[in-house]
Amino acid sequence: QKEVEQDPGPLSVPEGAIVSLNCTYSNSAFQYFMWYRQYSRKGPELLMYTYSSGNKEDGRFTAQVDKSSKYISLFIRDSQPSDSATYLCAGTGSARQLTFGSGTQLTVLP
Amino acid sequence: DGGITQSPKYLFRKEGQNVTLSCEQNLNHDAMYWYRQDPGQGLRLIYYSQIVNDFQKGDIAEGYSVSREKKESFPLTVTSAQKNPTAFYLCASMVPARGTTEAFFGQGTRLTVV
Repeated sequence: QKEVEQDPGPLSVPEGAIVSLNCTYSNSAFQYFMWYRQYSRKGPELLMYTYSSGNKEDGRFTAQVDKSSKYISLFIRDSQPSDSATYLCAGTGSARQLTFGSGTQLTVLP
Repeated sequence: DGGITQSPKYLFRKEGQNVTLSCEQNLNHDAMYWYRQDPGQGLRLIYYSQIVNDFQKGDIAEGYSVSREKKESFPLTVTSAQKNPTAFYLCASMVPARGTTEAFFGQGTRLTVV
């Protein structure tokens, strides 16, 4: 079993839709959870991170962590074609090693 | 501008050759990482270094080697022992301090065996 499992996608949605991206993890030592966005042939860039359980909002993006169920979510409101990318979830504990999910490819259709 | 620079962007290797991928950062970060990305498999950790002159194997270190002689530099050598080296390689750096988890990535090197 992978430490971080991510819905494989690909996912296509119309512009303006609400997008839900999800991951589960198995390592109870994970304390920090991150979402990275990766455009084609580019390096990933940090979108959001949260510490422990709870929600964090930044503009159209909301990250949610439920440590009791080991579930990580990213919601994108009013999705735009520029949001089309691969989204990677990641978790890390005190060892500072990021463990990534396999990524979900999102396409937002104009 | 601060950041991580990977070079070259594209690299072609013949069977049996060793090649070295460059990673340089001017962010003054202590920790540096090398990941390999294959289609549908996310990022897998090859090697990481928390401090100069020290590094540890990640999940898929076989066929790779690294050095960390300077804080700014963490080159990765893909040796002939790596049986399937064609992949997208990403270098990252991070400040290993409590309360911060942001890893900065370079733009990657795409290695192809010809």
